Amino acid sequence: EVQLVQSGAEVKKSGESLKISCKGSGYSFTSYWIGWVRQMPGKGLELMGIIYPSDSDTRYSPSFQGQVTISADMSISTAYLQWSSLKASDSAMYYCARRQGAMVPFDYWGQGTLVSVSS
Amino acid sequence: EIVLTQSPGTLSLSPGERATLSCRASQSVSSIYLAWYQQKPGQAPRLLIYGASTRATGIPDRFSGSGSGTDFTLTISRLEPEDFAVYYCQQYGSSPPMSSFGQGTKLEIK
Repeated sequence: EVQLVQSGAEVKKSGESLKISCKGSGYSFTSYWIGWVRQMPGKGLELMGIIYPSDSDTRYSPSFQGQVTISADMSISTAYLQWSSLKASDSAMYYCARRQGAMVPFDYWGQGTLVSVSS
Repeated sequence: EIVLTQSPGTLSLSPGERATLSCRASQSVSSIYLAWYQQKPGQAPRLLIYGASTRATGIPDRFSGSGSGTDFTLTISRLEPEDFAVYYCQQYGSSPPMSSFGQGTKLEIK
């Protein structure tokens, strides 16, 4: 069974750093892109960036370039999303999702990680 | 960047009725690369339709997708209580493999 299991909810303060994770199982982790999607409270879906774990090829959406870092450790089938200095505006639900390539959509999603940042 | 605009923002219907949701692209999108997702409160999105008209695994046949070029439609033929949710369209297939989502249509019970 394909699963993407994300790390638990986080409560942080502005200026703190954070790294959340997404562990894949039930499929070949290195054969699929992993994307990170932000959903702010009551809002829609925004693709932040994607990574191909096999070679760590990483692409960012312009709005998120320089704001976050996406990485992966294929030895433990885990992708990461990290911030060096959180802002209150980073408070949101973050989803990881997999896709096999540019020509297919995201077919499996993680359960989401809620990040709450207080000022 | 292709911008997807969904309409209406909110659609109020009753169970048993037919729902028609629209997704319009700012420039032509290959129909091969248009998807629809359903998101219920407190849940992750779920893939419904890809390639504009192909149902994902396990999706009931009351869900159908159509369209080409810049105009795409998701139709739910007879609404069931569990269909009331938010629906997003997404275009993909670009290189590098980035993609954009529409802003969503909320389907609510009338």
